[in-house]
Amino acid sequence: KAGVTQTPRYLIKTRGQQVTLSCSPISGHRSVSWYQQTPGQGLQFLFEYFSETQRNKGNFPGRFSGRQFSNSRSEMNVSTLELGDSALYLCASRGAGGSYEQYFGPGTRLTVT
Amino acid sequence: GQNIDQPTEMTATEGAIVQINCTYQTSGFNGLFWYQQHAGEAPTFLSYNVLDGLEEKGRFSSFLSRSKGYSYLLLKELQMKDSASYLCAASFNDYKLSFGAGTTVTVRA
Repeated sequence: KAGVTQTPRYLIKTRGQQVTLSCSPISGHRSVSWYQQTPGQGLQFLFEYFSETQRNKGNFPGRFSGRQFSNSRSEMNVSTLELGDSALYLCASRGAGGSYEQYFGPGTRLTVT
Repeated sequence: GQNIDQPTEMTATEGAIVQINCTYQTSGFNGLFWYQQHAGEAPTFLSYNVLDGLEEKGRFSSFLSRSKGYSYLLLKELQMKDSASYLCAASFNDYKLSFGAGTTVTVRA
């Protein structure tokens, strides 16, 4: 079974631009969560999608948004990029049936200059 | 946040044992995860504890005390490849995981 995939793996943007990151979960998994990881803050929860609905949201500004498609693939968008948005963005998928174990993708390294 | 606390760094010798402690707020708590993350890589799942007690998986064991809001990860017979960051994460009623800042373990020869 293929793991969680994320594209692109690396991205460089300038302040004020917007960016869209993509995540494909493990086949059959319907839950996708997004996290931001920085050296100073560690892993911070962004949001979780389940069956195309946002089920949970972390404490991030409205510039961070996401969506999930009918095939469970998910995208997250960051508008009006700031230098502080430079981070590793990880997505994780989780199976059904009350399973709590999350499988992480390799992440997208975003650098904002 | 949910105040997940764990030490920042630990150093141990190859072949030794290291115990990484983690504390969390107990309100709404569901279960406790441990992940391993090597530099530049994604976290990989190590263990999940939902009941009190010790769960052993080869050289790695994880312990949970729900009433005390406390867990630890025990790494035995340390190998150089165990040098990594170990993340404690707690799940609560709202499904999302709250992560600690991670403990960087350095294994020395």
